[in-house]
Amino acid sequence: DAGITQSPRHKVTETGTPVTLRCHQTENHRYMYWYRQDPGHGLRLIHYSYGVKDTDKGEVSDGYSVSRSKTEDFLLTLESATSSQTSVYFCAISEVLSGSYNEQFFGPGTRLTVL
Amino acid sequence: QKEVEQNSGPLSVPEGAIASLNCTYSDRGSQSFFWYRQYSGKSPELIMFIYSNGDKEDGRFTAQLNKASQYVSLLIRDSQPSDSATYLCAVNPQAAGNKLTFGGGTRVLVKP
Repeated sequence: DAGITQSPRHKVTETGTPVTLRCHQTENHRYMYWYRQDPGHGLRLIHYSYGVKDTDKGEVSDGYSVSRSKTEDFLLTLESATSSQTSVYFCAISEVLSGSYNEQFFGPGTRLTVL
Repeated sequence: QKEVEQNSGPLSVPEGAIASLNCTYSDRGSQSFFWYRQYSGKSPELIMFIYSNGDKEDGRFTAQLNKASQYVSLLIRDSQPSDSATYLCAVNPQAAGNKLTFGGGTRVLVKP
């Protein structure tokens, strides 16, 4: 998994509760991404980061916030979880170097169920 | 029209045969193209990327890119049961910076 861990790996929570998912990398890559994967929708970008404290929205950012205070950690927060946020969440990392083409490498995923 | 389109499958292939997967994209300025393999319950794994027209081979995998026709394909030669997975196509659109747009994936079943 290219030195990427996600925690927790599984979580069940109730509607209305806050939830924070953590992505940790040991590769010192500049770019980090949060995706959700749902049947029929594929992988969709929630938020991404292009450096410490530098983040931007993806295509499905409503209801989610992120923070990146250190290069190695990228946090995804659901302020008030809803059943529509039940999904599998993947973190990815990439680095843009001479000769690279933004290959993204994925963490193991977090399965979140909101009851 | 979706930005990146793939046939969802399943694509059923006999063991030893060639599996051919296609992906079309809408942004003509897209620069780089990726194929990921995803086993059920696992995370996507990068298997190929291509950025110039033509073919790129890596072991049993060949990626083919045709920018004029806006499609990229993946060939899996000598298909094995272990190749049974969902294959995701991803594209880096011109104005997207370092972001990728993913297709919905093609499920491949290799039958012994």
